[in-house]
Amino acid sequence: QVQLVESGGGLVKPGGSLRLSCAASGFTFSDYYMSWIRQAPGKGLEWVSYISSSGSTIYYADSVKGRFTISRDNAKNSLYLQMNSLRAEDTAVYYCAARGYSYGSAFDIWGQGTMVTVSS
Amino acid sequence: QSVLTQPPSVSGAPGQRVTISCTGSSSNIGAGYDVHWYQQLPGTAPKLLIYGNSNRPSGVPDRFSGSKSGTSASLAITGLQAEDEADYYCQSYDSSLSSPVVFGGGTKLTVL
Repeated sequence: QVQLVESGGGLVKPGGSLRLSCAASGFTFSDYYMSWIRQAPGKGLEWVSYISSSGSTIYYADSVKGRFTISRDNAKNSLYLQMNSLRAEDTAVYYCAARGYSYGSAFDIWGQGTMVTVSS
Repeated sequence: QSVLTQPPSVSGAPGQRVTISCTGSSSNIGAGYDVHWYQQLPGTAPKLLIYGNSNRPSGVPDRFSGSKSGTSASLAITGLQAEDEADYYCQSYDSSLSSPVVFGGGTKLTVL
């Protein structure tokens, strides 16, 4: 079935690094724009980064620019988020989300999320 | 502070109608970008509820409807049911390159 499965979350010290992965299945991954969206404990959704279907266009939220890097491997149906210089305020559940063409510009497929905790 | 503004909470009794507003600006909703709505049940990932301002994905009850006018959008839920208790988020796009994807702060719906 159509699904996204995130992995790679965990506990990391401030200043540390972590690499999140998102495995796609059940749909043509290479046709979809992908995003990382996070949710701090008890807070709302915050968009983090966006990559086009080919990987040629990338955007980042100001809060992570210069520290996070989004990438994708269409041959492996996978999306990644390399997170460096992590801060306490990066603590959140990180969701990967897919935007296709059937639902306009909406994110119609979401993963279950992976928790990232930045603490000493 | 979210780019799109939603009320923090709304409530209603079973069977009633509630609306959730989403207010943006001339650089996002007012610029013509579509508004989408997501429902997040407790402890779960968000789920697409309304896309393209007023369209429902298959499987979403017609009790849920969306509209857009000017720099604002609204989500209406009629015939409230206990299982509608959730957080609701609006989402759009913005002409700002620093944050092209924007969300509302979310609205907690309580079914009394």
